[in-house]
Amino acid sequence: DIQMTQSPSSLSASVGDRVTITCRASQSISKYLHWYQEKPGKAPNLLIYAASSLQSGVPSRFSGSGSGTDFTLTISTLQPEDFATYYCQQSYSIPRTFGQGTKVEIK
Amino acid sequence: EVQLVESGGGLVQPGRSLRLSCAASGFTFDDYAMHWVRQPPGKGLEWVSGISWNSGSISYADSVKGRFTISRDNAKNSLYLQMNSLRAEDTALYYCAKVREGKYSSTWYGGFDYWGQGTLVTVSS
Repeated sequence: DIQMTQSPSSLSASVGDRVTITCRASQSISKYLHWYQEKPGKAPNLLIYAASSLQSGVPSRFSGSGSGTDFTLTISTLQPEDFATYYCQQSYSIPRTFGQGTKVEIK
Repeated sequence: EVQLVESGGGLVQPGRSLRLSCAASGFTFDDYAMHWVRQPPGKGLEWVSGISWNSGSISYADSVKGRFTISRDNAKNSLYLQMNSLRAEDTALYYCAKVREGKYSSTWYGGFDYWGQGTLVTVSS
């Protein structure tokens, strides 16, 4: 199985900050990497697919980069509605593993 | 508007069975692969199972292999998860999710672009 490791597990940030979350795969997954945002009581929402492509309807302050084993999700200017938990997921192979999540909290 | 609505969750004793359903609308259901993902209370997301558009390819997480069966009825725009021999560790919110790219897409990456609101399964005596 491919293990997905996110860092940090949590972070505190202020509105307006630039936030970066990393995701590392235990083996190369090319660009088969996706990022989701989850808020309490709501289903996950796809933000970035194929490592760097912005899903339709997602604000442009979200961006993704990377390929192979190392990936990054960046929020350029943190907004109040961005406080949530973020997950990466690989679709390179079965099982479709998720990272453990990164909780972005208000500083 | 794409909608995925799960049902069938509830409280069940260990060793018993439960069948989850996911009713899909707003898109051509039989063009897309579908998956089940679960989330134990207070924990992260865990992929459970996936099925291709024509049921020709099916996969499971090791934790449910041999106990759970995924299926779909394209005529009814519905996805199912038959869960047998349930264990306490199967307690979770179960989501159905649609794969972003359909069978006619020129590229495929496999992210999940739509999710239902989930149905809660509690396994306890």
